[in-house]
Amino acid sequence: DAKTTQPPSMDCAEGRAANLPCNHSTISGNEYVYWYRQIHSQGPQYIIHGLKNNETNEMASLIITEDRKSSTLILPHATLRDTAVYYCIVRALYNAGNNRKLIWGLGTSLAVNP
Amino acid sequence: DGGITQSPKYLFRKEGQNVTLSCEQNLNHDAMYWYRQDPGQGLRLIYYSQIVNDFQKGDIAEGYSVSREKKESFPLTVTSAQKNPTAFYLCASSSTPGGQAYNEQFFGPGTRLTVL
Repeated sequence: DAKTTQPPSMDCAEGRAANLPCNHSTISGNEYVYWYRQIHSQGPQYIIHGLKNNETNEMASLIITEDRKSSTLILPHATLRDTAVYYCIVRALYNAGNNRKLIWGLGTSLAVNP
Repeated sequence: DGGITQSPKYLFRKEGQNVTLSCEQNLNHDAMYWYRQDPGQGLRLIYYSQIVNDFQKGDIAEGYSVSREKKESFPLTVTSAQKNPTAFYLCASSSTPGGQAYNEQFFGPGTRLTVL
């Protein structure tokens, strides 16, 4: 699985958009980009995933560059409850024998300030 | 409500004692996972199970053991052979993708184990 690079920390003002970048320059053609977040002392929570098209759900938007070497998670109107560590993970398609594990880096610690 | 439960939330044990962490899910998921998280670090995979009565070692399985006798349950035993067992332990599950790429993992609230 490809490695990802994320800034260790970011700040965002409450009500503004939070844009969290992720570099995955060695991503393979069959690898998806997943985003999870972990609020302090809780289990991680799935946010969104994508392959090459931009994706949006009720929590966030995911923008993947055309060459797929980087992506950005966008929280359109950040609230104090969005303060968490955000993990960007790339992972291949499931196939026979694949163990489906996710490789977790250190993530980005996002602080949403009032 | 469907979800994953882990108990207890906090656990204290004396050095040299084995301890078993509980993980139960009612999501009807085939796959279950155990991760360990140390302060300021990402998650590391201990064991995983893709189906009942089958499990595989992850990246840091030494000093741990698991069983998967029921689909809903995947208990983790931290043995005395684990040199540094104090950590935050997370259990997760995911559905069988059936050839699809989508395999969102659902996590429990975690158990914080402290060995004194």
